[in-house]
Amino acid sequence: GAVVSQHPSRVICKSGTSVKIECRSLDFQATTMFWYRQFPKQSLMLMATSNEGSKATYEQGVEKDKFLINHASLTLSTLTVTSAHPEDSSFYICSARETTSHNEQFFGPGTRLTVL
Amino acid sequence: DQQVKQNSPSLSVQEGRISILNCDYTNSMFDYFLWYKKYPAEGPTFLISISSIKDKNEDGRFTVFLNKSAKHLSLHIVPSQPGDSAVYFCAASPNSGNTPLVFGKGTRLSVIA
Repeated sequence: GAVVSQHPSRVICKSGTSVKIECRSLDFQATTMFWYRQFPKQSLMLMATSNEGSKATYEQGVEKDKFLINHASLTLSTLTVTSAHPEDSSFYICSARETTSHNEQFFGPGTRLTVL
Repeated sequence: DQQVKQNSPSLSVQEGRISILNCDYTNSMFDYFLWYKKYPAEGPTFLISISSIKDKNEDGRFTVFLNKSAKHLSLHIVPSQPGDSAVYFCAASPNSGNTPLVFGKGTRLSVIA
């Protein structure tokens, strides 16, 4: 299947700093990428839908100024957690839908963010 | 309102037996369904899918059944293996557009040797 990578896989930062997470589709083009977060023992929570060349669509309750999403190319979307606080500590996962795919989404391996 | 429900948070099955994971949905616009498997600290891995024009799709040890009238689908794993122990997410989507998948809360499967 298609491969999606995320970088970094793990990041620890101080409160108040910003962290950028990259999501890349390695062997396919993805006009749409999705960002999720997962708290321990809970389901995947969709944060936003990222469309190449346009503004992201955020889910209700997700602060767009807090979680900046940029989808500058067909293979790269970035999520920047600005002024991170301990409550932002979570597992962030991206997924990408192949342009020609029926509806399958391929997930990245996730990024564990810990804010001290 | 939860559109995709996995009512069993966990399931334990003996190795070699059948595992049956269930999923219910409420939105009649859903017509494409997927199952994902997730290990801790990893992203979900696509397992198997089914379109609403079918009622069964099989791939090796994994079979997904869809009952549209009941808005219910199930994933059967047979025979179950210890490596199948993971969290399984059911997901649903309308056919077209860039709408995101709607996920259930997941069922943690434990296969006991």
